[in-house]
Amino acid sequence: SAVISQKPSRDICQRGTSLTIQCQVDSQVTMMFWYRQQPGQSLTLIATANQGSEATYESGFVIDKFPISRPNLTFSTLTVSNMSPEDSSIYLCSVDRAGADTQYFGPGTRLTVL
Amino acid sequence: GNSVTQMEGPVTLSEEAFLTINCTYTATGYPSLFWYVQYPGEGLQLLLKATKADDKGSNKGFEATYRKETTSFHLEKGSVQVSDSAVYFCALSDRQGAQKLVFGQGTRLTINP
Repeated sequence: SAVISQKPSRDICQRGTSLTIQCQVDSQVTMMFWYRQQPGQSLTLIATANQGSEATYESGFVIDKFPISRPNLTFSTLTVSNMSPEDSSIYLCSVDRAGADTQYFGPGTRLTVL
Repeated sequence: GNSVTQMEGPVTLSEEAFLTINCTYTATGYPSLFWYVQYPGEGLQLLLKATKADDKGSNKGFEATYRKETTSFHLEKGSVQVSDSAVYFCALSDRQGAQKLVFGQGTRLTINP
C-alpha cells in the first residue's frame, strides 16, 4: 500500500472563491486520480493526473473548473474554481503504482461551499 | 460502458448475523473487482480484491468470489460485528489504459448489538 495525505482535511468556503487541494504520497507512483463524492453518493472520477503532461478529464468535468497539477511522481493538486454550493463534496485522491492494478485512497478533503 | 450495481441499502443486521451484499457488473473484457469500505468520517480503504474469474478475495472475515458466468462479486461475512458498520462500495477496474475505477452506489451497513 502507500501512505497518502491530503491538505486541507476540510474547509468551508464562500461561493465564487477557489480552493486548492494537495495530495502527497510517500513514494513515487505512476498513476494519480482525483474523485468526487457528493453527499450520500458514490465516487465519481474527475480526472487522471499525468506526470509531465495535462490531466485527462472524464465526461462532465473540465479543466477550467478543476485544474490539476502533477509536478512530480509524489504530488498533485486539484483546484476547485469559482465554487458554488453544488461543489460541496468530499474530494479524494488515489494512487496506483505501476503494475499493481489497485488504487489506494487518501483520507479525503471535505469541502462545504456557502 | 462499464458499470457496477449494488444492492440498495441501508442494511441493518444484528451482531453475529450473516451478511451478504450483492454486486453485479457490466464490463467489456476482464476487469479486476474490488470491495472498498468507508467507515464513518474516514476515507476509503481497500477491503479485498480479485483479478480473474473464480478468484476469491478475503480480508477481516469478509469474502467475495469473482463469478464471470453471473458477472457478480457478492460480499459475504459469516458473523458481523458492530465495528463492521460502514458504507461498502463495489468497484471494477477495466485494466486498460488508465485503469479507471468505476464504483457502485454504495451500501450502508449498520450492525446493532
